[in-house]
Amino acid sequence: DIQMTQSPSSLSASVGDRVTITCRASQSVSAYLNWYQQKPGKAPNLLIHAVSSLQSGVPSNFSGSGSASGTDFTLTISSLQPEDSAIYLCQQTYSTPFTFGPGTKVDIK
Amino acid sequence: QVQLVQSGAEMKKPGASVKVSCKASGYMFTKYGITWVRQAPGQGLEWMGWITPHNGDIDYAKKFRGRVTMTADKPTSTVSMELIDLRSDDTAVYFCTRGQWYLDYWGQGTLVTVSS
Repeated sequence: DIQMTQSPSSLSASVGDRVTITCRASQSVSAYLNWYQQKPGKAPNLLIHAVSSLQSGVPSNFSGSGSASGTDFTLTISSLQPEDSAIYLCQQTYSTPFTFGPGTKVDIK
Repeated sequence: QVQLVQSGAEMKKPGASVKVSCKASGYMFTKYGITWVRQAPGQGLEWMGWITPHNGDIDYAKKFRGRVTMTADKPTSTVSMELIDLRSDDTAVYFCTRGQWYLDYWGQGTLVTVSS
């Protein structure tokens, strides 16, 4: 199975800050990398699919990128808003089982 | 609008089975696969498998093979997931989600509690 790791596990930032979350795959997942946002007690919400495609309705201050190796990926929130307080998870859909990262908890200072 | 509405919470004893249903609406049911994902209390997301209602193709995570069955009923636009031989570590919220390569709509989740 492909293992997904994320860093940091948690962070605290101020409104307006630029926030970067990293996701690393144990082997190349090509461009089959998605990002989700999950708030307490709620189902996850798709933010980005295929590394950098912004899901319809998701604010444009979210963006995704990846390395040519297909193992390192980044989710960036360009200007953190209060409603962005949540857990952010990556998922690879290159090879089943389609594994998720453990999540990064983002808090607002 | 796209909606996935799941059946209600269940309490089961170890060794029992549970069947969770997921009724889809607001889109062409046979056009998208349905993926099941679960989340144990305070834990991360775990992919269980998917079913394509169009032709019934299925892919289960190896971990669940032999214990899980996913079915799709086209007339009612409903997908079901049955898990047998329940153990305490099957206690989790079970989500149905639309899609296979990315999961763009999610059900509200069904809490399954396994306890003696």
